[in-house]
Amino acid sequence: LAKTTQPISMDSYEGQEVNITCSHNNIATNDYITWYQQFPSQGPRFIIQGYKTKVTNEVASLFIPADRKSSTLSLPRVSLSDTAVYYCLVGDIDYGQNFVFGPGTRLSVLP
Amino acid sequence: GAVVSQHPSWVICKSGTSVKIECRSLDFQATTMFWYRQFPKQSLMLMATSNEGSKATYEQGVEKDKFLINHASLTLSTLTVTSAHPEDSSFYICSAAGTSLKETQYFGPGTRLLVL
Repeated sequence: LAKTTQPISMDSYEGQEVNITCSHNNIATNDYITWYQQFPSQGPRFIIQGYKTKVTNEVASLFIPADRKSSTLSLPRVSLSDTAVYYCLVGDIDYGQNFVFGPGTRLSVLP
Repeated sequence: GAVVSQHPSWVICKSGTSVKIECRSLDFQATTMFWYRQFPKQSLMLMATSNEGSKATYEQGVEKDKFLINHASLTLSTLTVTSAHPEDSSFYICSAAGTSLKETQYFGPGTRLLVL
């Protein structure tokens, strides 16, 4: 299983764009990259998933370089409610592999 | 779509009793379900993976006789904490994945267990 590395914490201000980078040097060919958001005492919430290049949805963008050894979650114009822990997960469910959570990145959005 | 529920949302029990937590996929068939445990200020720790109709696969260090997992149908998995002790107090979260969801697992809201 590919191990992931993320910054432990980040601070930002309301209205700014936040980029959180995750390193996964040992990513396998069949692995997808998935990002989750977790608020205290809640289950993680799916944000975005990708395999390569760029993926965008209504809440975030995910940038994946050609070598796929890292990925960057981009949150445009964050608000106070985006304060949460963000997890980057790498794995292949089709082959019965679990998703192992790293410590995540604690994002604090300040007014 | 892709909603996962858990019941109960919180439970308090006496030491030595058993507690059952249900995890349901409400709008999809979950071929695989995962059970996690999370202590305060820590990340999620995977306890076991279960595929419908098969025995669960437990992570190293997780006692399978203490944490009984049943995945009898494509929409329901249960975790039973047997003979619970105060050190089992934690936040238990399930997630579910299905072939229709490609590579994504969706999480339940979690169950807070407090063992007195």
